[in-house]
Amino acid sequence: NAGVTQTPKFRVLKTGQSMTLLCAQDMNHEYMYWYRQDPGMGLRLIHYSVGEGTTAKGEVPDGYNVSRLKKQNFLLGLESAAPSQTSVYFCASSYRRQGALGDIQYFGAGTRLSVL
Amino acid sequence: AQKVTQAQTEISVVEKEDVTLDCVYETRDTTYYLFWYKQPPSGELVFLIRRNSFDEQNEISGRYSWNFQKSTSSFNFTITASQVVDSAVYFCALSGQGGSEKLVFGKGTKLTVNP
Repeated sequence: NAGVTQTPKFRVLKTGQSMTLLCAQDMNHEYMYWYRQDPGMGLRLIHYSVGEGTTAKGEVPDGYNVSRLKKQNFLLGLESAAPSQTSVYFCASSYRRQGALGDIQYFGAGTRLSVL
Repeated sequence: AQKVTQAQTEISVVEKEDVTLDCVYETRDTTYYLFWYKQPPSGELVFLIRRNSFDEQNEISGRYSWNFQKSTSSFNFTITASQVVDSAVYFCALSGQGGSEKLVFGKGTKLTVNP
């Protein structure tokens, strides 16, 4: 199993350019998430999805859009990149909650994005 | 609001020392879940443990142990006889009754184990 795969691993953009980060999972998970990690800030949730065709905002959604057209894929888009969006982006997925167990989120390897 | 505090930003120890990473959480939920993740220098996030709020039993897995105390809202992580391979950033995280979409991370503790 590949688990959670993120594409690309590295990217450099100029201010104002657009790009899409792709996340794919092969675990048949219902939930998918996008986080950003900045030095000293931990991980902060950007957007998430609880199922195909649904998305919702997280803690820091401004400047990003997402789409979940297929259950296994979750796309993160930057329409007009800004230097403040320089970060490491992580995708994660998890099962729908069952019983008394909390959902374990499984993470991809991350995408390092620099916006100049 | 939910919050996770990892007061130790960086810790440096010598191999074979024991080390404890602190995690203090805040939540109004009666049912919640606590997690620890490891982020080695390679960058990926690796799940270590999950604990729900109704289970205060401490857990031991090899050199790793976790101490969950609801009375002090803490979920501390101890590595016994540390090794160089334990060097990583460790994150404590919390999710509440709203579902896993409410996972909140602490800012992480960077552990360096020197030979």
